[in-house]
Amino acid sequence: DGGITQSPKYLFRKEGQNVTLSCEQNLNHDAMYWYRQDPGQGLRLIYYSQIVNDFQKGDIAEGYSVSREKKESFPLTVTSAQKNPTAFYLCATGNRQGRRKETQYFGPGTRLLVL
Amino acid sequence: GQNIDQPTEMTATEGAIVQINCTYQTSGFNGLFWYQQHAGEAPTFLSYNVLDGLEEKGRFSSFLSRSKGYSYLLLKELQMKDSASYLCAVMDSNYQLIWGAGTKLIIKP
Repeated sequence: DGGITQSPKYLFRKEGQNVTLSCEQNLNHDAMYWYRQDPGQGLRLIYYSQIVNDFQKGDIAEGYSVSREKKESFPLTVTSAQKNPTAFYLCATGNRQGRRKETQYFGPGTRLLVL
Repeated sequence: GQNIDQPTEMTATEGAIVQINCTYQTSGFNGLFWYQQHAGEAPTFLSYNVLDGLEEKGRFSSFLSRSKGYSYLLLKELQMKDSASYLCAVMDSNYQLIWGAGTKLIIKP
């Protein structure tokens, strides 16, 4: 059964704590992305990876870190340096079709709340 | 700067037709995407336009005018399950998606 899984569905973070959000895919897509969604705003790109062992900062990378040791996995760590982490976090994979088109597909998301 | 504009909210009646507009100003253009997002869920892909004109897919159609920086999503024969947010996104010259804030569509019986 192909797809993208994210865990946990809900995550609570205490002040000063680092937390890691999981994203796993078995679609065999090369590209993976992390977005943050806040009410009334468009999706904002945190980090992305086009290939294993390589990743790039997006528009709002400060306070976050990632790794891409396997094609299937792209975990996101929200560090204590991220002062406003409460948001809905979405992981996506990219399916490149030809030179210009890449369609992104999303996992179910993780909602992070600060205690 | 890069900008995607969509109406914040729209209301329509079950069985009717609704058009959701999207205007964009981006550095380069490599296609425009529409996604549907139900409350609390992930966005799901609806359509992709890279050339001018209308793409039809069942009850949903998407139109693009590159010269005007304009697209619309047309939903026909509205059903209650179409109540959702509709997200417009443009792929820029760096092949990154720039996202609009989304249009919340409310369907009334």
